[in-house]
Amino acid sequence: NAGVTQTPKFQVLKTGQSMTLQCAQDMNHEYMSWYRQDPGMGLRLIHYSVGAGITDQGEVPNGYNVSRSTTEDFPLRLLSAAPSQTSVYFCASSRRSQDTEAFFGQGTRLTVV
Amino acid sequence: AQSVSQHNHHVILSEAASLELGCNYSYGGTVNLFWYVQYPGQHLQLLLKYFSGDPLVKGIKGFEAEFIKSKFSFNLRKPSVQWSDTAEYFCAVIKYYKLSFGAGTTVTVRA
Repeated sequence: NAGVTQTPKFQVLKTGQSMTLQCAQDMNHEYMSWYRQDPGMGLRLIHYSVGAGITDQGEVPNGYNVSRSTTEDFPLRLLSAAPSQTSVYFCASSRRSQDTEAFFGQGTRLTVV
Repeated sequence: AQSVSQHNHHVILSEAASLELGCNYSYGGTVNLFWYVQYPGQHLQLLLKYFSGDPLVKGIKGFEAEFIKSKFSFNLRKPSVQWSDTAEYFCAVIKYYKLSFGAGTTVTVRA
């Protein structure tokens, strides 16, 4: 099984550019989420989705958009990249249940210059 | 504000030493608790989890954690660490489908 697949692994953007980070899972998980990881701050929730067509904001949603048109895919869009968005981004998925672990992708290291 | 607090930012140990990492959460009611590990250059992997029952849970690679409800704590322990335990460790709490993480503790084990 591929699990959770994120692309790209690395990306450099110029300030003001837009891009989409891709996330796909093949485990038929209902719940998907995006986190950013910054030194000393752990992982902070950006957006999450409890099923196709349903998304909601997490802790740090500003500057990011998401959509969930299928169960498998949960792309994260940066509308106008800023240096403050330089981070490592992780996508995660899990069954729609409180008593289940999350599976993480390999991460995307994004640098905004 | 609801949060997850990890007591130590960076822990340096020698091989065979014992490890204990503190975690406290401030969510009320029923919560499910996790410890994740991130080895250098890799993604997060589950070490162990607590949902209910015995408050002392055992995970992979000899790790265990104890849930103390009265203290809102879920501390991670390992009696004897190895060099391969060098990693970053995250405590996490899930509440209403949101998985919230602590800031992480970097553990460096010296050979």
